[in-house]
Amino acid sequence: NAGVTQTPKFQVLKTGQSMTLQCAQDMNHEYMSWYRQDPGMGLRLIHYSVGAGITDQGEVPNGYNVSRSTTEDFPLRLLSAAPSQTSVYFCASSYWGGAKSEQFFGPGTRLTVL
Amino acid sequence: AQKITQTQPGMFVQEKEAVTLDCTYDTSDPSYGLFWYKQPSSGEMIFLIYQGSYDQQNATEGRYSLNFQKARKSANLVISASQLGDSAMYFCAMRGQDMDSSYKLIFGSGTRLLVRP
Repeated sequence: NAGVTQTPKFQVLKTGQSMTLQCAQDMNHEYMSWYRQDPGMGLRLIHYSVGAGITDQGEVPNGYNVSRSTTEDFPLRLLSAAPSQTSVYFCASSYWGGAKSEQFFGPGTRLTVL
Repeated sequence: AQKITQTQPGMFVQEKEAVTLDCTYDTSDPSYGLFWYKQPSSGEMIFLIYQGSYDQQNATEGRYSLNFQKARKSANLVISASQLGDSAMYFCAMRGQDMDSSYKLIFGSGTRLLVRP
C-alpha cells in the first residue's frame, strides 16, 4: 500500500496564481484532512472531510477550497496565492474512530509564494 | 477550547541517556486521545505513541513511553537510551472523542531535540 500520497513535493507560485495540491490515500479511510505547518509552529487544520461529498472548514480555511468526490482523493485548491500561504502542507487520513484513531500523514508539499 | 502547550523549544541530550519532553493540555472533553509525533529533518510526520484519557496504564512503545498525569493534564514523552537518529522535532497532539472535537488534531508548537554523540 502507498498510504497517503501528495503531489507535488515542492511548488513555487507567484502572487495571484492558483493551483491544486493533490492528496490520495489507498487505505479506504473515511476521514481526510489538510494541515499547514508554518515555521516554529505545529500543524493547523485547514479543511477536513468525513466522507465523499462532505467537507467542512478547520481552523484556517480562508483562501483554500476543497472537494471530496471519491473516498480516495482530497485535493486542496489555492484560489489566488498570497505570500502568507507560504508553508508546508500536509494531508492526513484516518478511520472514523473517535479519539484513538491514528492519523496517517502524507510526506508534505513545500509551497513558496513569491 | 482545546490547547496543547510544549514549553521547551529546544533540548539537548547525550547519546544513550534518557530525555523527557514536556506536554500539557487543556480540554473540557471527558474523553480524548493524546499523540506524539516525530518530524525528522526530512519533514515527514511519524506517529510514535498514543495515550487514551481512560487508559489505566501509561503507554509504551519500544524506547518511547508516555508519562500521563491526568489530574495535572500532562502527557510527557520519555525517550530512553537516546540515539543520534532521535534528533528531530517532536509534537504533542490531542484529539477529542465527540463529533465536534474528534475531527481534528490539535498540535503543540513542538520541541526540537538534538542528541549529542
